[in-house]
Amino acid sequence: QKEVEQNSGPLSVPEGAIASLNCTYSDRGSQSFFWYRQYSGKSPELIMFIYSNGDKEDGRFTAQLNKASQYVSLLIRDSQPSDSATYLCAVLGGATNKLIFGTGTLLAVQP
Amino acid sequence: DAGVTQSPTHLIKTRGQHVTLRCSPISGHKSVSWYQQVLGQGPQFIFQYYEKEERGRGNFPDRFSARQFPNYSSELNVNALLLGDSALYLCASSSPGGETQYFGPGTRLLVL
Repeated sequence: QKEVEQNSGPLSVPEGAIASLNCTYSDRGSQSFFWYRQYSGKSPELIMFIYSNGDKEDGRFTAQLNKASQYVSLLIRDSQPSDSATYLCAVLGGATNKLIFGTGTLLAVQP
Repeated sequence: DAGVTQSPTHLIKTRGQHVTLRCSPISGHKSVSWYQQVLGQGPQFIFQYYEKEERGRGNFPDRFSARQFPNYSSELNVNALLLGDSALYLCASSSPGGETQYFGPGTRLLVL
């Protein structure tokens, strides 16, 4: 079982719709969770982080965490073509504070 | 404020050669981490340094080494390059006591 799993996609949504990106993790002791956006040929850019169960909202982005189910998600409201990118879920692991990434989900927002 | 900077941006080497990649963290950040990202995969952890000491090492061979300098900049060295070392090498910095890591633009390495 991979430590962090994401559906590779592509996830295609029409402009203005809600995009829902999902991630599961295997280490029940994980405490910190991150979403990064990566445009093709670029480096990852931090979108959201969440530490507590529940929802965290920042503009059009909402991160949701359910530690009991070992599940974290990212919702993007009013999706725009500029949101088209790969979204990487990352979990902070171990004493080294290393980030453990999923393989990423490719999101395509159709105009 | 300047973000994380990395140099060079692109590099082409041949098998067996050695490469040095450089990273400067965000001002005030004392921790630097290195990641390797091959096409189609998420970044994989290589090293983390804090206050010039190695805090963690990922599952990479001894051909990979790193160090951090008194000004908190860092170098990643890879010896005896293999074709499979072709990847985007990412440096990330984080603030003291902080868990959030911010990535630089990366160095794209191609080994021929």
